[in-house]
Amino acid sequence: DVKVTQSSRYLVKRTGEKVFLECVQDMDHENMFWYRQDPGLGLRLIYFSYDVKMKEKGDIPEGYSVSREKKERFSLILESASTNQTSMYLCASSLEKWTGVFEAFFGQGTRLTVV
Amino acid sequence: AQSVTQLDSQVPVFEEAPVELRCNYSSSVSVYLFWYVQYPNQGLQLLLKYLSGSTLVESINGFEAEFNKSQTSFHLRKPSVHISDTAEYFCAVKPYGQNFVFGPGTRLSVLP
Repeated sequence: DVKVTQSSRYLVKRTGEKVFLECVQDMDHENMFWYRQDPGLGLRLIYFSYDVKMKEKGDIPEGYSVSREKKERFSLILESASTNQTSMYLCASSLEKWTGVFEAFFGQGTRLTVV
Repeated sequence: AQSVTQLDSQVPVFEEAPVELRCNYSSSVSVYLFWYVQYPNQGLQLLLKYLSGSTLVESINGFEAEFNKSQTSFHLRKPSVHISDTAEYFCAVKPYGQNFVFGPGTRLSVLP
């Protein structure tokens, strides 16, 4: 089974701190994604990556950055955490070949609280 | 841009009753369709998917969804729900070569 693992289930950070959220997948997927989930807003795409060292902005990239130095690892960075970044963060990976498309596999989520 | 609508934000239903969760998407271009389920404080799990072929797809736990191209819909149904089906359900579409687009979710509450 594909496994997507996020390093923390729950995090509490102070305003202004630099926060790292780590995500690792074990199925050699090219594509990796970071979403945030807020009540009533569904999933919103922050950043995504289709390859190592490659990154693309999603719908709400402000206040975030990412790093993908290895294929299996995709890190989300909050440069200076703010209270409006309190949310559930979900990492996902997927594999897309020219012959078809495969679903996204999600990690268990990190619930971040910024105080 | 592609968008996904889930008209019902919350659906309460009694145990053993049938349920339908509605999903509509905006574009008639070729898309792949998914339903995901999320239990409290967990990530999303794939429930079922439509890639091609038969328009009716089924999951292992009794859910089914039907792809209707003319109505751009992919409604999720179950003939008899259980307490354990209480969760949030997300419809997602993915045009080939583009990113996933998720609906806002429907919270299904199964009442005893």
